[in-house]
Parts: sequence; C-alpha cells; structure tokens
Amino acid sequence: DAKTTQPPSMDCAEGRAANLPCNHSTISGNEYVYWYRQIHSQGPQYIIHGLKNNETNEMASLIITEDRKSSTLILPHATLRDTAVYYCIVRVAERNTGNQFYFGTGTSLTVIP
Amino acid sequence: DGGITQSPKYLFRKEGQNVTLSCEQNLNHDAMYWYRQDPGQGLRLIYYSQIVNDFQKGDIAEGYSVSREKKESFPLTVTSAQKNPTAFYLCASRQGLAQSNEQFFGPGTRLTVL
Repeated sequence: DAKTTQPPSMDCAEGRAANLPCNHSTISGNEYVYWYRQIHSQGPQYIIHGLKNNETNEMASLIITEDRKSSTLILPHATLRDTAVYYCIVRVAERNTGNQFYFGTGTSLTVIP
Repeated sequence: DGGITQSPKYLFRKEGQNVTLSCEQNLNHDAMYWYRQDPGQGLRLIYYSQIVNDFQKGDIAEGYSVSREKKESFPLTVTSAQKNPTAFYLCASRQGLAQSNEQFFGPGTRLTVL
C-alpha cells in the first residue's frame, strides 16, 4: 500500500494561507490523492482529491508535484474553524479490499487568532 | 437531506455486554464501511460491504460482527470478545467502486465500556 507522511502538527495565523504538505513517494500511477479533515469528535470531512493535475474547489486547492511523490493542500485564508486534523490519503484500489481508505495520524492544524 | 446517520452519538455499556451501533445512509451508495479511531491515532478498518448481503473483514475485525440486509443499513455489533471496545466508531459510505469516488462519513458514535 502506498503510504503517506505528514508533519504531526502545524500552526497558521488567521487569515493567512495554510500550506499542508504530504509525501507519498510510493504512489502508483492510478492512485488518487485525497484530503480529509476531522474536527474533534466528528466524522472526517472530505476536502478535495486529485490524480495528476492541480485541483481547486470552494474549500481548498491541491497542488500535486509533477512526479506525484508529494502534494500540498492549501487553505487560502485560514479561519479559526479550520483548526482540525488533516489527513492525506492515497487510495488503495485492490479488489479484495473494497477500495478502502488508509488513514494515518494526519497533521493537526491550529489556526491562531 | 441526504447523508449518513449514526446513532447514538454516545453509548455506555457494561463490560461483557454486546452492543449494536447503527449506521444508515440515504445516498443510495453501494459500499459501506466501519472504522475505529483511538485517541491520537488514525482510522482503522473493521468491516466493509460492497453490496447487499455481502461483507468482508477489514484489518481489525476480531470481536466485531456486521450485517448488510438492506442497502441503506450496515449495523455493527461490538461483542464481548472485543478486548478493548472503548473507542470512537465511524461509519462511511461510497458510491460504486471507482477509484475517484470519495467516502462520506457519519458523525460517529463514541462507545465507552465501563
């Protein structure tokens, strides 16, 4: 399984951009990169996903390097409500595992007033 | 509203009792999943089901059981055989088996065994 490596914690000033890095050096060609976040005691919330190209939606932008070995999630204007644990996940696509997600420990982002 | 519901949000049980956690989705999703989360750790897969009347063990299935009699429902039973049942349990669902489909998560049930 392709694994991901994320820093355990990060701080970001309110109103500034939060850039969360993720390494996935063993990613295979057909695996997607997903980002979720989890606010304490709630279910994970989908943020964005991508394969090769950079992606943007109303929540965030996803920048994937050309070799696909790493990516960065960008929250353009962080707010206090963005304080959460952010998970970078590479999708496993094996028939006998039902395309499950493997969640690591993520990055705990704290947005500071 | 479409979504995944889990009930109850908090559940307390005495040691040695079986307990069933509810998970319902009205998204018409084919696949459903149960995860367990312990403090400071990521999610670990307990069981998953890709279609009705079929389910497969995940990484930590021992001490748990599931059923999938209806597409909308995927209840999880925590049996007395589960040695450390106190945890946060998350249910998820996904449409189809395509790589690009994201999983949607329920709000979770926090189980405490006394």
